[in-house]
Amino acid sequence: GAVVSQHPSWVICKSGTSVKIECRSLDFQATTMFWYRQFPKQSLMLMATSNEGSKATYEQGVEKDKFLINHASLTLSTLTVTSAHPEDSSFYICSAREGQSGTYEQYFGPGTRLTVT
Amino acid sequence: QKEVEQDPGPLSVPEGAIVSLNCTYSNSAFQYFMWYRQYSRKGPELLMYTYSSGNKEDGRFTAQVDKSSKYISLFIRDSQPSDSATYLCAMSVRGSQGNLIFGKGTKLSVKP
Repeated sequence: GAVVSQHPSWVICKSGTSVKIECRSLDFQATTMFWYRQFPKQSLMLMATSNEGSKATYEQGVEKDKFLINHASLTLSTLTVTSAHPEDSSFYICSAREGQSGTYEQYFGPGTRLTVT
Repeated sequence: QKEVEQDPGPLSVPEGAIVSLNCTYSNSAFQYFMWYRQYSRKGPELLMYTYSSGNKEDGRFTAQVDKSSKYISLFIRDSQPSDSATYLCAMSVRGSQGNLIFGKGTKLSVKP
């Protein structure tokens, strides 16, 4: 149980274009989903937290107009990188948390490697 | 001082060794403690989840939490080459949305 998928697993796009990454919880309902960014040999950096049906909460320094997050259902959240630039190239990972009170485990997706040329 | 400190290693051990991985933290409000394993170019995989203090065992893995010392550990017995990965500790405050604070991760290499 507790499987989270991400699509695509890797993507190459040209500078100035937008890219959408999907995150799905396959066997549980995720009231909260998280989006992280990870640079090589570094730990995960939380970008934003989203609750189903609500606006995402962005961490300090993360541009909400550049990284659009939509959590339209209990099993799907999307991250859209708008007007991508080479510095946006990174490993993006989502995680999901079940809605039960007292449950704090997060289950991670396999990640999406974005390369902007 | 960072909220969570973790030695990045790398840590290299021979196959069969007992591995000890540790994290220290400064926020006494942390009550939920997790260990994740991350293989290269993959998402983190939840290994152990502990609430408050105490020990938890799952197969070759044992997690320990000492809240008085603000210190958590993960022990791996009979380590295998397949255990070679980066191990991340993470912790959360009760009542939060479940936001995790991660350590930097320790890179472990188990040599056959």
